[in-house]
Amino acid sequence: SQQGEEDPQALSIQEGENATMNCSYKTSINNLQWYRQNSGRGLVHLILIRSNEREKHSGRLRVTLDTSKKSSSLLITASRAADTASYFCATDTLGAQKLVFGQGTRLTINP
Amino acid sequence: DGGITQSPKYLFRKEGQNVTLSCEQNLNHDAMYWYRQDPGQGLRLIYYSQIVNDFQKGDIAEGYSVSREKKESFPLTVTSAQKNPTAFYLCASSGRYEQYFGPGTRLTVT
Repeated sequence: SQQGEEDPQALSIQEGENATMNCSYKTSINNLQWYRQNSGRGLVHLILIRSNEREKHSGRLRVTLDTSKKSSSLLITASRAADTASYFCATDTLGAQKLVFGQGTRLTINP
Repeated sequence: DGGITQSPKYLFRKEGQNVTLSCEQNLNHDAMYWYRQDPGQGLRLIYYSQIVNDFQKGDIAEGYSVSREKKESFPLTVTSAQKNPTAFYLCASSGRYEQYFGPGTRLTVT
């Protein structure tokens, strides 16, 4: 079952611009995480935000969480060509020992 | 050098053959997971294990089998009963919340 839905499915921007990706989910969550996947590789964990947090920063990454709307956004500031990848949100519910991943946003940064 | 290894990176098999994908971790994690990823899609959970000698079915377990005899190892067998086995397979382990992924195995069945 796919809990998270990312929007947009694909995003293409110029280097230096900011990139925003959104994730919506259906049921109450314990945590929401964002992962990055370079083409043909495994996923890499970027950031985790707990259900009682509203915003979190890590370097050029900013994540927000709105539990009333069941949605999250990932902002990458001052994008670089190396940020080109697919980005996935993943949610876990209280008591569950597994993550449910969204379909992902494919981000392309043009030099 | 800590992490998760999957082997081989590419695997080719004829239809009707069973094939086993390897996953090893040295992160001392209790939980391990197998996912399937089809082109342009997200990850779908096949099986997961929270402790040695115990595992649970995920969302798409039909046609797959696993074992967890050692903490470090969680091999996945793709059986001939899996109708569409060609895909990218990812193994992961986790401590508390975040998951650590291996590099993946791309399986092609013809």
